[in-house]
Amino acid sequence: QSALTQPASVSGSPGQSITISCTGTSSDVGGYNYVSWYQQHPGKAPKFMIYDVTNRPPGVSNRFSGSKSGNTASLTISGLQAEDEADYYCSSYTSSSTWVFGGGTKLTVL
Amino acid sequence: QVQLVESGGGVVQPGRSLRLSCAASGFTFSNYGMHWVRQAPGKGLEWVAAISHDESNKHYADSVKGRFTISRDNSKNTLYLQMNSLRAEDTAVYYCAKRGAGVTLGDYWGQGTLVTVSS
Repeated sequence: QSALTQPASVSGSPGQSITISCTGTSSDVGGYNYVSWYQQHPGKAPKFMIYDVTNRPPGVSNRFSGSKSGNTASLTISGLQAEDEADYYCSSYTSSSTWVFGGGTKLTVL
Repeated sequence: QVQLVESGGGVVQPGRSLRLSCAASGFTFSNYGMHWVRQAPGKGLEWVAAISHDESNKHYADSVKGRFTISRDNSKNTLYLQMNSLRAEDTAVYYCAKRGAGVTLGDYWGQGTLVTVSS
Protein backbone atom coordinates (compact mmCIF):
# COMPACT_ATOMS: atom_id res chain seq x y z
CA GLN A 1 0.00 0.00 0.00
CA SER A 2 2.54 2.60 -1.12
CA ALA A 3 1.27 6.15 -1.37
CA LEU A 4 0.67 7.60 -4.81
CA THR A 5 3.31 10.11 -5.93
CA GLN A 6 2.41 13.79 -6.17
CA PRO A 7 4.69 16.82 -6.47
CA ALA A 8 5.15 18.47 -3.10
CA SER A 9 4.27 21.90 -4.43
CA VAL A 10 3.11 23.78 -7.50
CA SER A 11 2.46 27.46 -8.05
CA GLY A 12 0.83 29.75 -10.54
CA SER A 13 -0.38 33.29 -10.99
CA PRO A 14 -4.04 34.31 -10.98
CA GLY A 15 -5.68 33.47 -14.28
CA GLN A 16 -3.09 30.87 -15.22
CA SER A 17 -3.58 27.11 -15.40
CA ILE A 18 -1.71 24.50 -13.38
CA THR A 19 -1.61 20.71 -13.44
CA ILE A 20 -0.96 18.38 -10.53
CA SER A 21 0.14 14.84 -11.33
CA CYS A 22 -0.59 11.68 -9.36
CA THR A 23 1.46 8.60 -10.26
CA GLY A 24 0.67 5.10 -9.14
CA THR A 25 0.92 1.62 -10.59
CA SER A 26 -1.12 -0.78 -12.67
CA SER A 27 -2.60 -2.04 -9.38
CA ASP A 28 -4.24 1.26 -8.60
CA VAL A 29 -4.31 4.35 -10.84
CA GLY A 30 -3.52 2.45 -14.03
CA GLY A 31 -5.85 -0.43 -13.36
CA TYR A 32 -9.06 1.39 -12.57
CA ASN A 33 -10.88 4.59 -13.50
CA TYR A 34 -11.47 5.24 -9.80
CA VAL A 35 -9.24 8.24 -9.12
CA SER A 36 -10.62 11.04 -6.96
CA TRP A 37 -9.23 14.45 -6.03
CA TYR A 38 -9.73 16.44 -2.85
CA GLN A 39 -9.02 20.04 -1.89
CA GLN A 40 -8.08 20.85 1.70
CA HIS A 41 -7.71 24.30 3.18
CA PRO A 42 -5.72 24.65 6.43
CA GLY A 43 -7.62 23.36 9.44
CA LYS A 44 -10.54 22.17 7.32
CA ALA A 45 -11.86 18.80 6.22
CA PRO A 46 -11.09 17.68 2.67
CA LYS A 47 -13.54 18.69 -0.06
CA PHE A 48 -14.52 16.30 -2.83
CA MET A 49 -13.54 17.80 -6.22
CA ILE A 50 -13.27 15.06 -8.87
CA TYR A 51 -14.31 11.40 -9.02
CA ASP A 52 -13.88 8.53 -11.44
CA VAL A 53 -10.94 10.39 -13.04
CA THR A 54 -12.93 13.05 -14.88
CA ASN A 55 -16.27 13.68 -13.18
CA ARG A 56 -17.12 16.80 -11.18
CA PRO A 57 -19.64 16.61 -8.34
CA PRO A 58 -22.44 19.18 -8.34
CA GLY A 59 -21.27 22.57 -7.17
CA VAL A 60 -17.60 22.16 -8.13
CA SER A 61 -16.38 24.80 -10.56
CA ASN A 62 -15.75 23.70 -14.14
CA ARG A 63 -12.31 25.27 -13.76
CA PHE A 64 -11.34 21.95 -12.18
CA SER A 65 -10.83 18.99 -14.51
CA GLY A 66 -9.29 15.54 -14.28
CA SER A 67 -7.62 13.16 -16.70
CA LYS A 68 -5.53 10.00 -16.77
CA SER A 69 -2.88 8.45 -18.95
CA GLY A 70 -1.48 5.07 -18.02
CA ASN A 71 -0.47 5.03 -14.36
CA THR A 72 -0.64 8.82 -13.97
CA ALA A 73 -3.73 10.88 -13.22
CA SER A 74 -3.79 14.65 -13.37
CA LEU A 75 -5.82 17.51 -11.94
CA THR A 76 -5.89 20.73 -13.93
CA ILE A 77 -7.09 24.00 -12.50
CA SER A 78 -7.68 26.74 -15.05
CA GLY A 79 -8.19 30.44 -14.40
CA LEU A 80 -6.41 30.25 -11.05
CA GLN A 81 -8.02 32.21 -8.25
CA ALA A 82 -6.71 33.14 -4.84
CA GLU A 83 -9.18 30.81 -3.12
CA ASP A 84 -7.71 27.85 -5.01
CA GLU A 85 -4.65 28.04 -2.76
CA ALA A 86 -4.84 24.83 -0.75
CA ASP A 87 -3.48 21.31 -0.47
CA TYR A 88 -4.67 18.81 -3.08
CA TYR A 89 -4.78 15.04 -2.69
CA CYS A 90 -5.47 12.29 -5.16
CA SER A 91 -6.78 8.88 -4.17
CA SER A 92 -7.32 5.61 -6.02
CA TYR A 93 -9.07 2.33 -5.45
CA THR A 94 -6.63 -0.60 -5.54
CA SER A 95 -6.55 -4.23 -6.61
CA SER A 96 -6.50 -5.21 -2.91
CA SER A 97 -9.95 -3.64 -2.43
CA THR A 98 -8.32 -0.86 -0.44
CA TRP A 99 -7.80 2.82 -1.15
CA VAL A 100 -4.59 4.84 -1.29
CA PHE A 101 -3.88 8.57 -1.20
CA GLY A 102 -1.15 10.61 -2.75
CA GLY A 103 1.22 12.50 -0.50
CA GLY A 104 -0.48 15.80 -1.27
CA THR A 105 0.47 18.89 -3.26
CA LYS A 106 0.54 22.42 -1.88
CA LEU A 107 -0.77 24.90 -4.43
CA THR A 108 0.43 28.46 -4.05
CA VAL A 109 -1.29 31.25 -5.98
CA LEU A 110 1.36 33.90 -6.50
CA GLN B 1 -28.05 18.06 4.03
CA VAL B 2 -25.48 15.38 4.72
CA GLN B 3 -23.81 15.70 8.11
CA LEU B 4 -21.09 13.56 9.63
CA VAL B 5 -20.03 14.30 13.19
CA GLU B 6 -17.09 12.46 14.72
CA SER B 7 -16.54 12.11 18.45
CA GLY B 8 -14.49 10.11 20.92
CA GLY B 9 -11.05 11.56 20.33
CA GLY B 10 -8.71 12.53 23.11
CA VAL B 11 -5.38 11.82 24.75
CA VAL B 12 -4.58 8.17 25.39
CA GLN B 13 -1.47 6.33 26.56
CA PRO B 14 0.42 3.99 24.23
CA GLY B 15 -0.98 0.47 24.31
CA ARG B 16 -4.44 1.60 25.42
CA SER B 17 -7.71 1.61 23.47
CA LEU B 18 -10.15 4.20 22.19
CA ARG B 19 -13.42 4.04 20.26
CA LEU B 20 -14.39 6.73 17.78
CA SER B 21 -17.95 7.36 16.65
CA CYS B 22 -19.35 9.10 13.60
CA ALA B 23 -23.00 10.17 13.71
CA ALA B 24 -24.56 10.44 10.27
CA SER B 25 -27.63 12.36 9.13
CA GLY B 26 -29.18 13.78 5.98
CA PHE B 27 -28.97 10.56 3.94
CA THR B 28 -30.03 6.91 4.18
CA PHE B 29 -27.06 5.68 6.17
CA SER B 30 -27.83 1.99 5.67
CA ASN B 31 -27.46 2.35 1.88
CA TYR B 32 -23.85 3.55 1.85
CA GLY B 33 -20.42 2.25 2.61
CA MET B 34 -18.29 4.36 4.93
CA HIS B 35 -14.61 5.10 5.49
CA TRP B 36 -12.21 6.28 8.16
CA VAL B 37 -9.31 8.45 7.00
CA ARG B 38 -6.66 9.99 9.23
CA GLN B 39 -4.19 12.84 9.01
CA ALA B 40 -1.16 13.07 11.29
CA PRO B 41 -0.19 16.62 12.34
CA GLY B 42 1.33 18.42 9.38
CA LYS B 43 1.11 15.31 7.19
CA GLY B 44 -1.05 14.03 4.37
CA LEU B 45 -4.22 11.97 4.29
CA GLU B 46 -4.04 8.25 5.02
CA TRP B 47 -6.90 5.85 4.32
CA VAL B 48 -7.54 3.69 7.40
CA ALA B 49 -10.57 1.43 6.90
CA ALA B 50 -13.77 0.91 4.96
CA ILE B 51 -17.02 -0.93 5.62
CA SER B 52 -19.83 -1.85 3.25
CA HIS B 53 -23.39 -0.67 3.75
CA ASP B 54 -24.43 -3.95 5.39
CA GLU B 55 -21.19 -4.65 7.26
CA SER B 56 -20.52 -7.70 5.06
CA ASN B 57 -17.19 -6.36 3.81
CA LYS B 58 -14.47 -4.63 5.80
CA HIS B 59 -11.02 -3.59 4.63
CA TYR B 60 -8.06 -2.11 6.48
CA ALA B 61 -4.78 -0.39 5.79
CA ASP B 62 -1.77 -2.56 6.63
CA SER B 63 -0.74 -0.02 9.27
CA VAL B 64 -3.81 -0.72 11.40
CA LYS B 65 -4.76 -4.29 10.45
CA GLY B 66 -5.21 -6.46 13.52
CA ARG B 67 -5.40 -3.45 15.86
CA PHE B 68 -8.36 -1.41 14.54
CA THR B 69 -11.91 -2.61 13.88
CA ILE B 70 -14.48 -0.73 11.84
CA SER B 71 -18.16 -1.35 12.52
CA ARG B 72 -21.54 0.31 12.17
CA ASP B 73 -24.99 0.36 13.69
CA ASN B 74 -27.49 1.15 10.97
CA SER B 75 -30.30 1.46 13.52
CA LYS B 76 -28.39 4.33 15.13
CA ASN B 77 -26.94 5.82 11.91
CA THR B 78 -23.52 5.56 13.50
CA LEU B 79 -20.09 4.41 12.31
CA TYR B 80 -17.40 3.26 14.75
CA LEU B 81 -13.68 2.73 14.85
CA GLN B 82 -12.36 0.62 17.70
CA MET B 83 -8.65 1.32 18.11
CA ASN B 84 -6.59 -1.06 20.24
CA SER B 85 -2.87 -1.24 21.04
CA LEU B 86 -2.48 2.41 20.15
CA ARG B 87 0.95 3.72 19.16
CA ALA B 88 2.43 7.18 18.99
CA GLU B 89 2.23 7.01 15.20
CA ASP B 90 -1.55 6.69 15.41
CA THR B 91 -1.71 10.31 16.57
CA ALA B 92 -3.86 12.09 13.98
CA VAL B 93 -7.12 13.76 13.16
CA TYR B 94 -9.55 10.99 12.25
CA TYR B 95 -12.22 11.75 9.65
CA CYS B 96 -15.22 9.66 8.72
CA ALA B 97 -16.29 9.89 5.09
CA LYS B 98 -19.34 8.71 3.20
CA ARG B 99 -18.71 6.50 0.21
CA GLY B 100 -19.93 8.04 -3.01
CA ALA B 101 -21.09 6.50 -6.26
CA GLY B 102 -19.28 3.32 -7.24
CA VAL B 103 -16.12 3.05 -5.16
CA THR B 104 -15.57 6.76 -4.65
CA LEU B 105 -13.90 7.17 -1.26
CA GLY B 106 -15.60 10.19 0.19
CA ASP B 107 -18.15 12.55 -1.24
CA TYR B 108 -18.88 13.95 2.22
CA TRP B 109 -16.53 14.25 5.18
CA GLY B 110 -16.89 15.01 8.86
CA GLN B 111 -14.92 17.71 10.61
CA GLY B 112 -12.59 15.19 12.27
CA THR B 113 -11.67 14.24 15.82
CA LEU B 114 -8.13 14.43 17.19
CA VAL B 115 -6.52 11.38 18.75
CA THR B 116 -3.25 11.93 20.60
CA VAL B 117 -1.29 8.91 21.75
CA SER B 118 1.20 9.98 24.38
CA SER B 119 2.44 8.96 27.77
